[in-house]
Amino acid sequence: DAKTTQPNSMESNEEEPVHLPCNHSTISGTDYIHWYRQLPSQGPEYVIHGLTSNVNNRMASLAIAEDRKSSTLILHRATLRDAAVYYCILRVLTGGGNKLTFGTGTQLKVEL
Amino acid sequence: EAGVAQSPRYKIIEKRQSVAFWCNPISGHATLYWYQQILGQGPKLLIQFQNNGVVDDSQLPKDRFSAERLKGVDSTLKIQPAKLEDSAVYLCASSLGAGMEKLFFGSGTQLSVL
Repeated sequence: DAKTTQPNSMESNEEEPVHLPCNHSTISGTDYIHWYRQLPSQGPEYVIHGLTSNVNNRMASLAIAEDRKSSTLILHRATLRDAAVYYCILRVLTGGGNKLTFGTGTQLKVEL
Repeated sequence: EAGVAQSPRYKIIEKRQSVAFWCNPISGHATLYWYQQILGQGPKLLIQFQNNGVVDDSQLPKDRFSAERLKGVDSTLKIQPAKLEDSAVYLCASSLGAGMEKLFFGSGTQLSVL
């Protein structure tokens, strides 16, 4: 499985933007970049995904480097409810199914 | 829309006992996943079903773990006999298909093996 590297933890103040980095230097051309987050005592929750172009949705933005070896999840205005573990995952589309392989993620702490 | 339902929410057993977890996916979702999450780690895929067929069970400890998805809807995961290292949260997820669709996770079953 392709690997991703994320910082163990990051801190942010409420109402400020947060940039969560992810390195994936061994990414191949067909690997999709997915982000999930996990709030305390809950299952992971889908955030966003992309292949080559930057993506926006109501939760966040995903900025993908031109060489695709890194990406950044952007939360435009962090709130206390965004405190969670954020997982950056490479997902390969295959004929037999494409599992999500989670790493240890980044623990985001949001302070008042 | 109802989410992925799992039960029980918590389970405490002694080692060498048996335990079963139940999952009801979102209606219409063909793909169902069971993940194991040990404290401090990310979830690890145990088994993936497409309808009622197994797509991937490469990380399922088959000497003690078993799973089934009868009729391609709900699913059960069983551990027999349990070991101390099986203490974890067991998460069920579902998706419409096996492509790039997003996964929807349940809240999980927290298992403690004493």
